[in-house]
Amino acid sequence: ETGVTQTPRHLVMGMTNKKSLKCEQHLGHNAMYWYKQSAKKPLELMFVYNFKEQTENNSVPSRFSPECPNSSHLFLHLHTLQPEDSALYLCASSQDRPGAGVPETQYFGPGTRLLVL
Amino acid sequence: LAKTTQPISMDSYEGQEVNITCSHNNIATNDYITWYQQFPSQGPRFIIQGYKTKVTNEVASLFIPADRKSSTLSLPRVSLSDTAVYYCLVGARRAGGSYIPTFGRGTSLIVHP
Repeated sequence: ETGVTQTPRHLVMGMTNKKSLKCEQHLGHNAMYWYKQSAKKPLELMFVYNFKEQTENNSVPSRFSPECPNSSHLFLHLHTLQPEDSALYLCASSQDRPGAGVPETQYFGPGTRLLVL
Repeated sequence: LAKTTQPISMDSYEGQEVNITCSHNNIATNDYITWYQQFPSQGPRFIIQGYKTKVTNEVASLFIPADRKSSTLSLPRVSLSDTAVYYCLVGARRAGGSYIPTFGRGTSLIVHP
């Protein structure tokens, strides 16, 4: 148990469906992340939110839409996905500190296994 | 960003010590070296972090030579439950921005009975 929960754990959707992934962190952190992990590929950073503001968007297609209503919750809204979007979607959080220095530890949730048919 | 190179896979047996080496020839002066562990269908988990020399915790040791161009994660007396993918990351928190970790392909360690 890392203090980061994700729901649902598994999701099957058609290409015309709209669904949302939810992430919640119970660690009091101020930064949250979405990653995509496809089979046999490295983790790909998708979005970063720092103090609820999006600070990074790693050239992610618009069919993925993040939402961060507060520092504890993060959503990933999905619509008109493609089969190649099938992957494990991981949420992470960290306590961001000002200034340069030691990298913060990232705490990951268990992920949502997504299958797009 | 400094690039890291690790072996794709390693095999070991229960009770043995496992050493996984990561090369990072372009490591910057401010960069730290961090290792994560990932079990199947789970998110990565922080193992250990260091800047130079040797760091040890209850899980592993991290050896970093003086030139810092490589690092070695050492897992003492592995068990079957240590079967996982191990990632080596190099980076630092940027002034005025978040730390953006970059995960490579990692090293898939399989521990045999």
